[in-house]
Amino acid sequence: EAQVTQNPRYLITVTGKKLTVTCSQNMNHEYMSWYRQDPGLGLRQIYYSMNVEVTDKGDVPEGYKVSRKEKRNFPLILESPSPNQTSLYFCASSPWQVDQPQHFGDGTRLSIL
Amino acid sequence: GESVGLHLPTLSVQEGDNSIINCAYSNSASDYFIWYKQESGKGPQFIIDIRSNMDKRQGQRVTVLLNKTVKHLSLQIAATQPGDSAVYFCAENSSGGYQKVTFGIGTKLQVIP
Repeated sequence: EAQVTQNPRYLITVTGKKLTVTCSQNMNHEYMSWYRQDPGLGLRQIYYSMNVEVTDKGDVPEGYKVSRKEKRNFPLILESPSPNQTSLYFCASSPWQVDQPQHFGDGTRLSIL
Repeated sequence: GESVGLHLPTLSVQEGDNSIINCAYSNSASDYFIWYKQESGKGPQFIIDIRSNMDKRQGQRVTVLLNKTVKHLSLQIAATQPGDSAVYFCAENSSGGYQKVTFGIGTKLQVIP
């Protein structure tokens, strides 16, 4: 089954404790992206990657890091999480060509205390 | 999750009636538009898309209309069913060399049995 898998689905942690949210897709997609979703603000892009070893900032990259060492994986790293990073996070992937919809994971709900 | 539905415009529709969800986009250079459906606890799911060289596209029970003159997009759902209850949002994509997608805030559709 074609899918984007995120882990963990839920995480409660404390300020300053480094965490990583993993994302993996099995569709051989070149493009991958991370979004955060907050009430009233919709989906905002954090980082995206057009292919292996190619990453770039989205609209809200502060406080986040990503890496793309393999085509299928695109982890999101919070080196020193803060409460304003409490949110619902989605990973998505799509073929490189424009005019293609993105496939989303089921989300990771992060609570930073 | 449930908190995504807070602060959103809500459309309540009787089961069996048709639903029309509207979206205004901002970028005149956008040339590809997508509608997504997001159920509680799930990631956004692709419903239907349309390219800027089209005014209308039909799928199974869904129709998307595009009015480029006023930068307006609508999603019509025929014979709305309880399973259609979800948050719906549009996304616009400008083919500026990579998949830059801007998502709308969304509309919550409530189907009354």
